[in-house]
Amino acid sequence: GDSVTQMEGPVTLSEEAFLTINCTYTATGYPSLFWYVQYPGEGLQLLLKATKADDKGSNKGFEATYRKETTSFHLEKGSVQVSDSAVYFCALSRNFGNEKLTFGTGTRLTIIP
Amino acid sequence: NAGVMQNPRHLVRRRGQEARLRCSPMKGHSHVYWYRQLPEEGLKFMVYLQKENIIDESGMPKERFSAEFPKEGPSILRIQQVVRGDSAAYFCASSPGQSDYEQYFGPGTRLTVT
Repeated sequence: GDSVTQMEGPVTLSEEAFLTINCTYTATGYPSLFWYVQYPGEGLQLLLKATKADDKGSNKGFEATYRKETTSFHLEKGSVQVSDSAVYFCALSRNFGNEKLTFGTGTRLTIIP
Repeated sequence: NAGVMQNPRHLVRRRGQEARLRCSPMKGHSHVYWYRQLPEEGLKFMVYLQKENIIDESGMPKERFSAEFPKEGPSILRIQQVVRGDSAAYFCASSPGQSDYEQYFGPGTRLTVT
């Protein structure tokens, strides 16, 4: 079945550092790929998405590129802020999201000033 | 436009009691998904419903768990005879369907079974 493997955390970085959170997936066909962010005590918010190979999703300075050849969707940000501290989830879905999301285990990110 | 509403936010039940979790989707959304998050784990899909229909229940435990999304009113996730292992955060998400399938998540219900 489908699965998502995500870089284990927690990850602690200094403000303005470069961020990479690795995500790889196993799925047949061409799933859609997502990054969600969860702030303390809140539900998940969609951060960015990509629906086909070589697409780049971007939002709030975060980027991720859908790499079919390496089955990866790594999350990157050039300069993190304290406000980026949260838990980040990589996920996939079929049919452009019109089906269940399959999530990775999440990566807790803490940014220190 | 109000977001996805879930209530209660926190629910404490003793072993053997019933838990009812409610989810009101965003206005205009006819698709609802339920997910469960165990401590320090990712979210696991439970069930996908459209109005009056269960579309995919492949993630639902075979016993004690049920879900509905009636024509009127919120979606309900019911857990009968709760056990300690049911303690988790339960998240609901809704989507409009009809070419826009982004799932919008509620704040979750944290169930504690004592």
